[in-house]
Amino acid sequence: GNSVTQMEGPVTLSEEAFLTINCTYTATGYPSLFWYVQYPGEGLQLLLKATKADDKGSNKGFEATYRKETTSFHLEKGSVQVSDSAVYFCALISITGTASKLTFGTGTRLQVTL
Amino acid sequence: DGGITQSPKYLFRKEGQNVTLSCEQNLNHDAMYWYRQDPGQGLRLIYYSQIVNDFQKGDIAEGYSVSREKKESFPLTVTSAQKNPTAFYLCASSMIGRGADTQYFGPGTRLTVL
Repeated sequence: GNSVTQMEGPVTLSEEAFLTINCTYTATGYPSLFWYVQYPGEGLQLLLKATKADDKGSNKGFEATYRKETTSFHLEKGSVQVSDSAVYFCALISITGTASKLTFGTGTRLQVTL
Repeated sequence: DGGITQSPKYLFRKEGQNVTLSCEQNLNHDAMYWYRQDPGQGLRLIYYSQIVNDFQKGDIAEGYSVSREKKESFPLTVTSAQKNPTAFYLCASSMIGRGADTQYFGPGTRLTVL
């Protein structure tokens, strides 16, 4: 079946540091890949997505590239801010009938300090 | 503003009581989903619905029930048969067909069973 593996957290960085959160997946075919972000006490917000190999998703300075060869979708940001402190989830989607099913990683907590 | 609302944000119940969590969306989405989130874990799918008056079990449906009488609403009942109901519950929705590849989430309800 499908699965997503993320690096364990927490990740603690100083403001303006470079961020990488690793994500690898196992799936049948080539599913769309996602990064969602969850701020404390809130629901999930879609951060970015990529629908096919070599696609790069980007939003708010975050980027991730769909790498079919390494089955990876690592999240990167060149300069993090305190406001980026949150839990980040990598996910893939499979279509079930006319709906869809998301498979999530366990999440990586990012803490950014001044 | 289009979006998904969940109520209440916090819910406390005594052991053995059934409790119903509300989820409403005004995005005109056909598909709706319920997920459960436990600390340090990813989200797990409880139930989903692709159309009014139809729904399917997800990965952890035991001890839960749902209904879909209106397109906008997908309430989740946590029954007394659910052995460990304390968790954060998230509702999501999506279009169907090709548009099913992106799910949008509500703010969540944190249920605590005393």
